[in-house]
Amino acid sequence: QPVLTQSSSASASLGSSVKLTCSLSSGHSTYIIAWHQQQPGKAPRYLMKLEDSGSYNKGSGVPDRFSGSSSGADRYLTISNLQSEDEADYYCETWDSNTHVFGGGTRLTVL
Amino acid sequence: EVPLLAAGGGLVPPGGPLRLSCAASGFTFRSHAMNWVRQTPGKGLEWVSGISGSDGSTHYADSVKGRFIISRDNSKNTLYMQMNSLRAEDTAVYYCAKIGSGSFYHPFDHWGQGTLVTVSS
Repeated sequence: QPVLTQSSSASASLGSSVKLTCSLSSGHSTYIIAWHQQQPGKAPRYLMKLEDSGSYNKGSGVPDRFSGSSSGADRYLTISNLQSEDEADYYCETWDSNTHVFGGGTRLTVL
Repeated sequence: EVPLLAAGGGLVPPGGPLRLSCAASGFTFRSHAMNWVRQTPGKGLEWVSGISGSDGSTHYADSVKGRFIISRDNSKNTLYMQMNSLRAEDTAVYYCAKIGSGSFYHPFDHWGQGTLVTVSS
């Protein structure tokens, strides 16, 4: 089954941009993934579905500041014009034979 | 808005049973696959189990296979998880999560608020 690898933490300044990475394991580079955001003390929230082509579809109400892109086995989530409410954990997710898999999550700190 | 109201969590001794439920509204429940995902306090997300909307087929993580049973009642728009032989390592917040398709092989597009299960004597 696929393995998703994420950096454990990231930080960026208020109003700047940040690019988070989710890397697919060998042999799974074409997999579609999804990005989810989990703000402190809250349930996760679906952000987008992201294909290997870089095409993405966002969930309802997700701000334009959130975008996705892909390169090889890497899937990216870019957040522009960072706001304080973007401080959260970000998880990538994929699915395969009878299972769903999550990355370990990246904790984003907005400075 | 797609409310997913999870309930049934609580304190249970090791080896005991517990039944979770997730009441859904705002969409055609029978047409969507549904799942349970858990999160140990301070840790990441772990998929636990899923059930397709199209054919009702079920899927389980190895960590719960043989102990947990997922089911759904489409007439009540409700998802269930019967948890048996509970262990301390099952302690977590359990979220129900909807898939945007009847098939299991799509992402979770809505999440419920979670219910806390604590396994302890």
